[in-house]
Amino acid sequence: QSALTQPASVSGSPGQSITISCTGTSSDVGGYNYVSWYQQHPGKAPKLMIHDVTNRPSGISNRFTGSKSGNTASLTISGLQAEDEADYYCSSCTSSSTLVFGGGTKLTVL
Amino acid sequence: EVQLLESGGGLVQPGGSLRLSCAASGFTFINYAMTWVRQAPGKGLEWVSTFSGGGGGTTFYADSVKGRFTISRDNSKNTVFLQMNSLRAEDTAVYYCAKRAEGSANYYAFDYWGQGALVTVSS
Repeated sequence: QSALTQPASVSGSPGQSITISCTGTSSDVGGYNYVSWYQQHPGKAPKLMIHDVTNRPSGISNRFTGSKSGNTASLTISGLQAEDEADYYCSSCTSSSTLVFGGGTKLTVL
Repeated sequence: EVQLLESGGGLVQPGGSLRLSCAASGFTFINYAMTWVRQAPGKGLEWVSTFSGGGGGTTFYADSVKGRFTISRDNSKNTVFLQMNSLRAEDTAVYYCAKRAEGSANYYAFDYWGQGALVTVSS
């Protein structure tokens, strides 16, 4: 199972919005509404930001929004803040009942 | 408060074995699928294995560990294990255990993670 495709890096200024894409196939992202997004700061465990494509867990800011179109899922962060600087990973279940992650995207807040 | 505490990491020679444990607290353990995810130094996340919840016994493995790793759980002790055999250098990673997310419709969203256990495979 190949990893989902994410841009290696994105950047934005405080207050701006950015979008991170996550491209898979019809056997994973496109076939199920089971995409999740995680934020990981250096040396820390990942933190769930979005599950089931669009759902925010309790306590996650509404500045984080998930969406999907075809085989590509997206995470949009609005009103960028310094603390949003981190690595972001998408994941999706697959037709083989396994899980695949994206390669990760480093977000830099300028 | 949900807590996941991994233990059992360390240095092991290629071809050796190691067993990781993850002690859970703060939730009804038996009801939730539990998963191991690893992260090689400086690399991304890689799913390793999942054990279903609800008292079921279904297990799932990544191709990279199938036949070498075994996931198990002891619901009486609120603990999930990962037995790792025939270890290779490429298994070197921080291993996280993770709990299925509340409110998610599938096994594969994780709302709580442990702090990670470092496994180093080297001679």
